[in-house]
Amino acid sequence: DADVTQTPRNRITKTGKRIMLECSQTKGHDRMYWYRQDPGLGLRLIYYSFDVKDINKGEISDGYSVSRQAQAKFSLSLESAIPNQTALYFCATSDPTSGAANEQFFGPGTRLTVL
Amino acid sequence: GNSVTQMEGPVTLSEEAFLTINCTYTATGYPSLFWYVQYPGEGLQLLLKATKADDKGSNKGFEATYRKETTSFHLEKGSVQVSDSAVYFCALSSGAGSYQLTFGKGTKLSVIP
Repeated sequence: DADVTQTPRNRITKTGKRIMLECSQTKGHDRMYWYRQDPGLGLRLIYYSFDVKDINKGEISDGYSVSRQAQAKFSLSLESAIPNQTALYFCATSDPTSGAANEQFFGPGTRLTVL
Repeated sequence: GNSVTQMEGPVTLSEEAFLTINCTYTATGYPSLFWYVQYPGEGLQLLLKATKADDKGSNKGFEATYRKETTSFHLEKGSVQVSDSAVYFCALSSGAGSYQLTFGKGTKLSVIP
């Protein structure tokens, strides 16, 4: 079974709709992240969470919100979706006790299309 | 701030050709360096990593050496296969205690038979 799962895998929605993307992990990691991937731009960090009570904005948080319901669950919401939020969204986790490297483990991604 | 620059693609090679994907970085302190690979329709997977200068990361025939003097971490493979077709991302993390990965824009590799 996958260690980091995302639902849904694909979603098409309309401008103005509220959308929630969900991420679950069985790795037992405290840190979780949400990224978006756009062609030619790499991955950009939206939000990150060090634990259930610690949530922080990343590079491109405008138009997004998150909820850390439990250590294993981290949801991303688009309050009012717009077409330029069409992208591939990835959830990731990491273990802060893993030493010098901040290796992150990624889910399979959610492809979101906003019409 | 931190940044990663990698060669733009797409790169198309014939099977068994030699691969180099260049990656250079700008960072404060002593970053850890990574190569991630994204196969079609999948998420990112860690391919290899190096945590200090002169370290060589290797996996699945791929290698990269952490060169502090040239701030580089070039990815190489001696003989590519069709199954290596993917997008490759160079990334860095600014050392112990850092939370963030900074990614390059990715290089798409296509290997043809």
